[in-house]
Amino acid sequence: GEDVEQSLFLSVREGDSSVINCTYTDSSSTYLYWYKQEPGAGLQLLTYIFSNMDMKQDQRLTVLLNKKDKHLSLRIADTQTGDSAIYFCAESNQAGTALIFGKGTTLSVSS
Amino acid sequence: NAGVTQTPKFRVLKTGQSMTLLCAQDMNHEYMYWYRQDPGMGLRLIHYSVGEGTTAKGEVPDGYNVSRLKKQNFLLGLESAAPSQTSVYFCASSYSLFTGELFFGEGSRLTVL
Repeated sequence: GEDVEQSLFLSVREGDSSVINCTYTDSSSTYLYWYKQEPGAGLQLLTYIFSNMDMKQDQRLTVLLNKKDKHLSLRIADTQTGDSAIYFCAESNQAGTALIFGKGTTLSVSS
Repeated sequence: NAGVTQTPKFRVLKTGQSMTLLCAQDMNHEYMYWYRQDPGMGLRLIHYSVGEGTTAKGEVPDGYNVSRLKKQNFLLGLESAAPSQTSVYFCASSYSLFTGELFFGEGSRLTVL
């Protein structure tokens, strides 16, 4: 079945770049997604990338996709304390009817 | 604009008790989902629905039942609660899974003693 793997923790200093990595199993997923969860809240879609793209940039966010290795990464430039949150990688299930999420990476930003 | 509303936000149950979590969305979305979030386990899909009157099992459906009698509501039931069902439950809805944008509620924290 589908599986999405992420490292659990990342700690950076304010102003540095953060890179969160993810590996996935289902190569048929049309899109791959990054969601953000702030403390005490539900998840919100942060960005997504179409599976035939290698890179997508959106302001401070850069998503890189390596389809051959089934590896997805999210780079946050000039990381701020407000970026402290849990970041989830997600892909669609084989039926295309639901999203399968990774375990989430907790990003801690210190000033 | 309420979006996705979950009721209740907190609940404590004793083992063996039953309860229902209610999810309501006002965006006319076809797809609705129930996930549970546990430390170190991320989000796991319990059940989902692709339209009114339809439901399907996700990754961890055992011990839960769901109903989607009205398009805007998706109910998650626990018939006989167990301590292993202590978790934070999230409901989400989506207009189209093609875009992958799920709208989440704020979560319901359930403790089973």
